[in-house]
Amino acid sequence: DTEVTQTPKHLVMGMTNKKSLKCEQHMGHRAMYWYKQKAKKPPELMFVYSYEKLSINESVPSRFSPECPNSSLLNLHLHALQPEDSALYLCASSQDNPFLAGIGDTQYFGPGTRLTVL
Amino acid sequence: LAKTTQPISMDSYEGQEVNITCSHNNIATNDYITWYQQFPSQGPRFIIQGYKTKVTNEVASLFIPADRKSSTLSLPRVSLSDTAVYYCLVGKPIKAAGNKLTFGGGTRVLVKP
Repeated sequence: DTEVTQTPKHLVMGMTNKKSLKCEQHMGHRAMYWYKQKAKKPPELMFVYSYEKLSINESVPSRFSPECPNSSLLNLHLHALQPEDSALYLCASSQDNPFLAGIGDTQYFGPGTRLTVL
Repeated sequence: LAKTTQPISMDSYEGQEVNITCSHNNIATNDYITWYQQFPSQGPRFIIQGYKTKVTNEVASLFIPADRKSSTLSLPRVSLSDTAVYYCLVGKPIKAAGNKLTFGGGTRVLVKP
């Protein structure tokens, strides 16, 4: 199973709403990632979790709050978003095995959640 | 992090070979070169990864010269379904900290009948 799943596929929310995006993988990967992608632009890294600990936060506004409840799940909690936050939100995972010296750590991406903020 | 530069777009025809060259002049010693393919409204899909010389798999080949300052993705005999954006990335895994990759602008490949 080399699949990363994301729910929901589409989400429309108002600026005062609170919502969550979910990501799941069962490949035994220990690193999970959130990316944001605007139309016709490359994905931009937001957060990286490694062994369920936040290892990278790319100066993302606090209205985005990541959570990694266990090694298979990654959530992104959304609150008080702005219309400019509308984008495709991608989740990815990678093995992140510190013993695999000399091997690049391939990231596997989910299909994304298309978020629209009204 | 090493910055990558790719052509913005390329056109090709079915059955032809497509070669996309990526420049990464500041590549670090431990960086790997990875290529992803992305269709509209889908997540990027891993194509191939290499460190030096040549790597080949069932879908593509990756050529990396000795100085590693560039790399070329080669897609043999493309079909209409290969129309997508192709991203070249360089980066290295950081032990127990994930793998920070930076996507460049990507190359939009249009395969025509």
